[in-house]
Amino acid sequence: DADVTQTPRNRITKTGKRIMLECSQTKGHDRMYWYRQDPGLGLRLIYYSFDVKDINKGEISDGYSVSRQAQAKFSLSLESAIPNQTALYFCATSDRLTGGLSNEQFFGPGTRLTVL
Amino acid sequence: ELKVEQNPLFLSMQEGKNYTIYCNYSTTSDRLYWYRQDPGKSLESLFVLLSNGAVKQEGRLMASLDTKARLSTLHITAAVHDLSATYFCAVDMMKTSYDKVIFGPGTSLSVIP
Repeated sequence: DADVTQTPRNRITKTGKRIMLECSQTKGHDRMYWYRQDPGLGLRLIYYSFDVKDINKGEISDGYSVSRQAQAKFSLSLESAIPNQTALYFCATSDRLTGGLSNEQFFGPGTRLTVL
Repeated sequence: ELKVEQNPLFLSMQEGKNYTIYCNYSTTSDRLYWYRQDPGKSLESLFVLLSNGAVKQEGRLMASLDTKARLSTLHITAAVHDLSATYFCAVDMMKTSYDKVIFGPGTSLSVIP
């Protein structure tokens, strides 16, 4: 099945460490997103990319960076992790071809990150 | 700035009962999505509503969209335990210079036998 995968699924790290979260998809979608989820706050958009050469900041990009290595791969980095970046991180994709009509998104399984 | 609100945020209901979850948003949009999240799991797309008056039904869930009122509802009919989950609405900022969705805070539903 075409899918969205994330690695690692769980990560515990220390303050100040550099962390990379990876997302791969086999859906053939052009658009990819990174969200973080905190209890009671829903999902907040960190970065999004509409194609390999297009990277855009979301609502909460400070402290994060991204890389779109290929159409199918979108990585999120925390250059110097801090405790308030402890959260559940989701990657998502959507299809540009239907984007004119629908921006329905398909989510990966999530990465639970704990920063001590 | 687009804001998306849901109510209630927490809902405990008995099996067999009906209830409605509301999603209000603050600016013009006629594209709205509903997602379900089971505890510790990812989000799963439930409904895609793309125009004023759109109504979609799947099993015991029915979603509707009123763009004039900036309101979507998710109606639960004769709830069963398997519907226990968190439900998110997400509104599409389609009329801005970039295309992204804003998620509501979620409604945590617990169906009690």
